[in-house]
Amino acid sequence: KQEVTQIPAALSVPEGENLVLNCSFTDSAIYNLQWFRQDPGKGLTSLLLIQSSQREQTSGRLNASLDKSSGRSTLYIAASQPGDSATYLCAVRPGSNYQLIWGAGTKLIIKP
Amino acid sequence: GAGVSQSPSNKVTEKGKDVELRCDPISGHTALYWYRQSLGQGLEFLIYFQGNSAPDKSGLPSDRFSAERTGGSVSTLTIQRTQQEDSAVYLCASSFQSGNEQFFGPGTRLTVL
Repeated sequence: KQEVTQIPAALSVPEGENLVLNCSFTDSAIYNLQWFRQDPGKGLTSLLLIQSSQREQTSGRLNASLDKSSGRSTLYIAASQPGDSATYLCAVRPGSNYQLIWGAGTKLIIKP
Repeated sequence: GAGVSQSPSNKVTEKGKDVELRCDPISGHTALYWYRQSLGQGLEFLIYFQGNSAPDKSGLPSDRFSAERTGGSVSTLTIQRTQQEDSAVYLCASSFQSGNEQFFGPGTRLTVL
C-alpha cells in the first residue's frame, strides 16, 4: 500500500532564505507526483507536476525533483517571501489507478 | 472558462438530513475527482469519474455517499442521513485526461450539527 510522508510537518524561516520541503513515498511504481499549496480556508493550487519519467520541474522560484528509486521528491523554494506562507502538500498517483495518495503536508511560515 | 467551481461554499445541516454538493469542472476536462479533507487529517479520495462513468468508487466511506455526473460535466455528491463525522471540506478536482495534472476547486465546507 502506497504511503506518502512529508517532513517536516512545520517550518518557520526568515524571509529571503532558500528552503527545501521533503516528500517520501513507499512504492516507487508511481505514474506522477504533484506538489500543491493550500492557503487557509481555500482550495488547493497546483504548483508542479512531475511525470515518472522526469527528474525535475521548475516554475519561477520553485523547483521540484523526483528520485523514484529512492522514493523521494523535494520542493525547493528560492528566495522565500512572506506570500509563500501556506501548507504545501505532495501527492502521488500510483501506477495502477487514478486517485492521488496524499502526504499530510508541511506548514510553512515565512517571517518578514 | 475559469477554474473548477463548487457550490455551496459552506453548508450547515442537521444530523440526519441529506445534502447535495455540486462541482463544475474546467470546460473540456474529462476526468473529475472528489476528495474529502477532515479536520486534522489528510486528504482522502472519494470517487473518480471519466466522462459520466465512475470506474473507481473505492473511496466512498459508506452507502450513504453517492455521486453522479451528467453530460460529462457537472457532478453532484450526495450524502444521505448526514452524521457528525461527515463534517469536512469536500474538494472537487478535474483534469484534461485521467492521470494528468489535477486542478482543484475551492471546496465546500460541510458542518453537520
